[in-house]
Amino acid sequence: RKEVEQDPGPFNVPEGATVAFNCTYSNSASQSFFWYRQDCRKEPKLLMSVYSSGNEDGRFTAQLNRASQYISLLIRDSKLSDSATYLCVVRTSYGKLTFGQGTILTVHP
Amino acid sequence: DTAVSQTPKYLVTQMGNDKSIKCEQNLGHDTMYWYKQDSKKFLKIMFSYNNKELIINETVPNRFSPKSPDKAHLNLHINSLELGDSAVYFCASSQDDFELFFGEGSRLTVL
Repeated sequence: RKEVEQDPGPFNVPEGATVAFNCTYSNSASQSFFWYRQDCRKEPKLLMSVYSSGNEDGRFTAQLNRASQYISLLIRDSKLSDSATYLCVVRTSYGKLTFGQGTILTVHP
Repeated sequence: DTAVSQTPKYLVTQMGNDKSIKCEQNLGHDTMYWYKQDSKKFLKIMFSYNNKELIINETVPNRFSPKSPDKAHLNLHINSLELGDSAVYFCASSQDDFELFFGEGSRLTVL
């Protein structure tokens, strides 16, 4: 089983849609959780951290379920500029961030 | 000012050659990394250095040798290049093991 698994998609949604991505992780001792965004042929950048209580940043909401070892990202009111690959990232030990393979999102007019 | 810069951005070379990629960060971070992103887009950690000391070496072949002359620089030298080494190599840095700041990547093609 992979350490971090995501549905690779692609997800194709119209502008204004709500879309959700899921991610599971295998190491129950994992300490911290993040979503990164990677545009085509660019470097990954931090989108948001994920906290046990859930957290929101504008149109983006992240949730963590430690019991089920599951992380989610919800994007509301999708914009064309949201088109990217979304990477689920888990810290399994100090200095080691493990990336999922990413979920491709395309938002179309 | 680019926070994490790596050079060169593109390398095209023949099998068996040796190549180096350089990375510098001006963020004052203590930790630097090399990640490899293959054709399937998986980003996998290769090495991590904290204040010039190697802290993570993820079963990378001996042909890959990182060097950190100071905490702002982490270079990657690859000997005897193989076809499977073709990938994008990302340098990154972080402070206190939090957010990773990536360079723009170095795209290596081995022919």
